[in-house]
Amino acid sequence: QSALTQPASVSGSPGQSITISCTGTSSDVGGYNYVSWYQQHPGKAPKLMIYEVSNRPSGVSNRFSGSKSGNTASLTISGLQAEDEADYYCSSYTTSSPRVFGTGTKVTVL
Amino acid sequence: QVQLVESGGGVVQPGTSLRLSCAASGFKFSNYGMHWVRQAPGKGLEWVAVIWYDGSNKYYADSVKGRFTISRDNSKNTLYLQMNSLRAEDTAVYYCVRVTGSYYNMDVWGQGTTVAVSS
Repeated sequence: QSALTQPASVSGSPGQSITISCTGTSSDVGGYNYVSWYQQHPGKAPKLMIYEVSNRPSGVSNRFSGSKSGNTASLTISGLQAEDEADYYCSSYTTSSPRVFGTGTKVTVL
Repeated sequence: QVQLVESGGGVVQPGTSLRLSCAASGFKFSNYGMHWVRQAPGKGLEWVAVIWYDGSNKYYADSVKGRFTISRDNSKNTLYLQMNSLRAEDTAVYYCVRVTGSYYNMDVWGQGTTVAVSS
């Protein structure tokens, strides 16, 4: 199972909105509404930010939102803050494997 | 609070074995499936294996199939990963992760344990 495709880096200024894409196929992202997003700060464990495409766990800021169109899922961070600087990974259920991760995106707050 | 604590990592030579453990607390362990996920130094996340809540089903990534075995002891609230025939490319931080909801979604992560395979 190949990794889902994410941009290597995305940047934005404080207060701006950014969007991270996660592209797969009809066998994973496009075929199921089971895409999740994780935030990972350096040296720390990942943290669940979005599950089932657009649902936020309790305690996650509503500045984080998720969506999907066709074979591409997206994570949008609005009102960008310094603490949002981290690596972000998408993950999806697939027909051939219980889970696959994206390649990861480094978010930089300018 | 919900907590997962991995242990058992270390430095080992290629071809040898290692067993990782993950102690769960703060939730009813026997009700949840569990994953192992790894991250090589400076690289992204890689799913390794998953086991159902009762141990009845197990699935593996192709990269570890036949070498790694996931298991659990619900009486001890502990998840295991037996790693045999270790290779340099198995060097990574290994995380245990709780399954939540449908289709193997992951919510709670441990802090990770480091495995280094080197001669």
